[in-house]
Amino acid sequence: NAGVTQTPKFRILKIGQSMTLQCTQDMNHNYMYWYRQDPGMGLKLIYYSVGAGITDKGEVPNGYNVSRSTTEDFPLRLELAAPSQTSVYFCASFRDGGSNEQFFGPGTRLTVL
Amino acid sequence: GENVEQHPSTLSVQEGDSAVIKCTYSDSASNYFPWYKQELGKGPQLIIDIRSNVGEKKDQRIAVTLNKTAKHFSLHITETQPEDSAVYFCAARYSGGGADGLTFGKGTHLIIQP
Repeated sequence: NAGVTQTPKFRILKIGQSMTLQCTQDMNHNYMYWYRQDPGMGLKLIYYSVGAGITDKGEVPNGYNVSRSTTEDFPLRLELAAPSQTSVYFCASFRDGGSNEQFFGPGTRLTVL
Repeated sequence: GENVEQHPSTLSVQEGDSAVIKCTYSDSASNYFPWYKQELGKGPQLIIDIRSNVGEKKDQRIAVTLNKTAKHFSLHITETQPEDSAVYFCAARYSGGGADGLTFGKGTHLIIQP
């Protein structure tokens, strides 16, 4: 199993540009999450999904959108990038009824200039 | 919502000594408390976790203790080694049916001095 994979690893955007951060997991996990990590801070939840077709907001959803058309994929969309969205983004997944462990991807480092 | 406080933000110990990191949480409904280790440029990796029906859990050199009454839990690393140097995060979650993710502390940068 590859686990949780994220692309791209790094990206620089200009203010107002849009992009999609990709996340895929091959563990057949029903729950998936997007977190952001700012320097010196813990991770904050942006959006989560309990299964295909179902998404919900986390603590810091403004400026982001998500979709979950398949069990494996959970892309995060930034429509109008702002400097405040400069951060490292982590995708995670786990299977409800299992060990409760959330498995994290390697992260995407995004800079908005 | 849940709030998790973590101390200290930086901890420097001599190789071979013990390290203790402490966290408090605010929501008494939280019942799952994992600890993650994050190395530079990588995603967090679970090292140990504990549920609210258990007071202590140990895995080789790592142990976690939980005091539900005081709403705090701690990570204990004994016989520290250079490879223990990393950032450690505590987190809390209510796993009774909702799916609102983990609430993380701000992290502790653990430095193992040779």
